[in-house]
Amino acid sequence: GNSVTQMEGPVTLSEEAFLTINCTYTATGYPSLFWYVQYPGEGLQLLLKATKADDKGSNKGFEATYRKETTSFHLEKGSVQVSDSAVYFCALSGGSNYKLTFGKGTLLTVNP
Amino acid sequence: DADVTQTPRNRITKTGKRIMLECSQTKGHDRMYWYRQDPGLGLQLIYYSFDVKDINKGEISDGYSVSRQAQAKFSLSLESAIPNQTALYFCATRGAGEDTGELFFGEGSRLTVL
Repeated sequence: GNSVTQMEGPVTLSEEAFLTINCTYTATGYPSLFWYVQYPGEGLQLLLKATKADDKGSNKGFEATYRKETTSFHLEKGSVQVSDSAVYFCALSGGSNYKLTFGKGTLLTVNP
Repeated sequence: DADVTQTPRNRITKTGKRIMLECSQTKGHDRMYWYRQDPGLGLQLIYYSFDVKDINKGEISDGYSVSRQAQAKFSLSLESAIPNQTALYFCATRGAGEDTGELFFGEGSRLTVL
C-alpha cells in the first residue's frame, strides 16, 4: 500500500536559517504529492503540491520537487521566519485518488 | 466564514457517553472525510463519503459511526466513548472534479474522554 515517511522532529532553527524537511514515499502508479502546514490551534492547509515527476511546487518561499527516481518530495526554504513555526505534513494521493496518505508530521520551531 | 465548519471545537466527556461531532461545508464538494490526529502518528482516516448514499470505512473505523445527512453535512459519532479516543478530529472535503487529491480541512474538534 501507499506510505509516506518524513523526517521526525522536532526541528528547531534560528530565524533566517535554511530549512529542509525530508519526505520519501512508497506508492503504485503516479501519485500527486503535497505538503500541508498546521499552524498552532488551526486545521491543515495546503502549502504546495506537485502532480507529476520533476514538477516543483512552491508557495510562501517554500519549495519541493517531485523526484520519481528517489521517490522523494523534500521541503526546503532558504530563510525561515518565526511565523513559519508549525507542524508540516507530507502527503500523497494515489491509486483511486480518493484519499490522502499522510506522514507523521514534523514540528518546526523558529526562534528569533 | 470558514468553508468547512466543525462543531464543537472542544469537548470534554466521560467514558461511556455518546458524542457527535458535526461538519458542514459551503464548498459544494461531494466528497467528505473524517480524520483523527494523534501526536506523532499523523492523520488517520476514519470514514469517508463520496455522496449521500455512499459511506466507506477508513483505516480506523472501529468504535465510530458516521451519517451523511446531506451533501453539505457529515457527522461522526462515538456511541460509547473511551479514553483512547481522546484526539483531535478533522473533517475534510474534496470536489469530484478535483483530480489531484487536494483536501480542504476544517479547524478541528478536540475531544477529551475522561
